[in-house]
Amino acid sequence: GAVVSQHPSRVICKSGTSVKIECRSLDFQATTMFWYRQFPKKSLMLMATSNEGSKATYEQGVEKDKFLINHASLTLSTLTVTSAHPEDSSFYICSARDRFHGYTFGSGTRLTVV
Amino acid sequence: AQSVTQLGSHVSVSEGALVLLRCNYSSSVPPYLFWYVQYPNQGLQLLLKYTTGATLVKGINGFEAEFKKSETSFHLTKPSAHMSDAAEYFCAVSDPGGSYIPTFGRGTSLIVHP
Repeated sequence: GAVVSQHPSRVICKSGTSVKIECRSLDFQATTMFWYRQFPKKSLMLMATSNEGSKATYEQGVEKDKFLINHASLTLSTLTVTSAHPEDSSFYICSARDRFHGYTFGSGTRLTVV
Repeated sequence: AQSVTQLGSHVSVSEGALVLLRCNYSSSVPPYLFWYVQYPNQGLQLLLKYTTGATLVKGINGFEAEFKKSETSFHLTKPSAHMSDAAEYFCAVSDPGGSYIPTFGRGTSLIVHP
């Protein structure tokens, strides 16, 4: 089956710094990847749709200058949280879609900003 | 527009008992429906999905769900709960004629007592 690798699984960073999260589709090509944010005891909130070779599409209310998304290849999308603040602490999950397997989710990244 | 309602943020069962997690959806078109499971600090794993055809869908780990159009429901069941089933479960709906991006419910935490 399809596998999506997300790295790192956990990261702690200081307030004001930036952190990059990688999402890779290991055995398939994904022209579209998705980034979600999950708050404690809450559902997944779609942040943005990452399109290979073009700009990401952000959901309403998501700051595109704060959450930078790059989809440089058919197997890699990155999310960079810039100038992180404690309120950015959350669980971030990526997902990749292909026509054969539908949506496959990464294992998530727990971001803690101190 | 589409939405998902999961009744009960927590469901508690004894090991060996029937598991029933409720999901009702709202969609203006015939939907695709999904159930995902999430273990602590992990991504989402697809349990099962309904697209077209047979309304009773069997998934992994002994779970199944039935699509009932008249009730706009897609409840998840398992005849006998196992301790390893304790996790967060998410129901999701997507519009096959639109973006396909799933909309998630708020999740139900399944607690299994020995």
